[in-house]
Amino acid sequence: EVQLVESGGGLVQPGGSLRLSCAASGFTFSDHYMDWVRQAPGKGLEWVGRIRNKANSYTTEYAASVKGRFTISRDDSKNSLYLQMNSLKTEDTAVYYCARRATASALDIWGQGTMVTVSS
Amino acid sequence: DIQMTQSPSSLSASVGDTVTITCRASQGISNSLAWFQQKPGKAPKSLIYATSSLQSGVPSKFSGSGSGTDFTLTISSLQPEDFATYYCQQYKSYPITFGQGTRLEIK
Repeated sequence: EVQLVESGGGLVQPGGSLRLSCAASGFTFSDHYMDWVRQAPGKGLEWVGRIRNKANSYTTEYAASVKGRFTISRDDSKNSLYLQMNSLKTEDTAVYYCARRATASALDIWGQGTMVTVSS
Repeated sequence: DIQMTQSPSSLSASVGDTVTITCRASQGISNSLAWFQQKPGKAPKSLIYATSSLQSGVPSKFSGSGSGTDFTLTISSLQPEDFATYYCQQYKSYPITFGQGTRLEIK
């Protein structure tokens, strides 16, 4: 079964850091670009960023709202995707989803999400 | 950035109805448009990619059309499980952007 499972969410103070993980199974993880998408409570979906595969040098793209604070990485040997979040703000409070980009360029598989709460 | 605007923001319909949701891009995105369904407390589910292609396992009651800047999602013969929030997304250029969502409610 193709599956993505996020972990690492929790409560963190403003200015703090948190690292999210996304474990992939059931497909060749190393072939795919991977995205992070977030959703603030009661709000819509917001794209956070993307990491390409090895063939594309693991290059990354970010939303302006997180650029310079968040870093996406991956470990293909562990079938894992990561989101390192630094200098967290209250407005980063959201459910964070990892998602797979299909070969047709659109996202096709999503994880169940992990909640991040930034509050003092 | 490409802005995606969905209309309506909310929609009431009855079981058995056919509904259409519109998504407009602030500039041309060719056919790089996807649709997602999200139910309360759940992860989004991918429905359509490349404007009109169904993701694997998605029933044919869902259909998409359009090109350039104007796109539609049509859902026919509404069933109780179809009442959810729907989002469009452009992936033509970075940053990838979503519409604000359309909440489909039971009348």
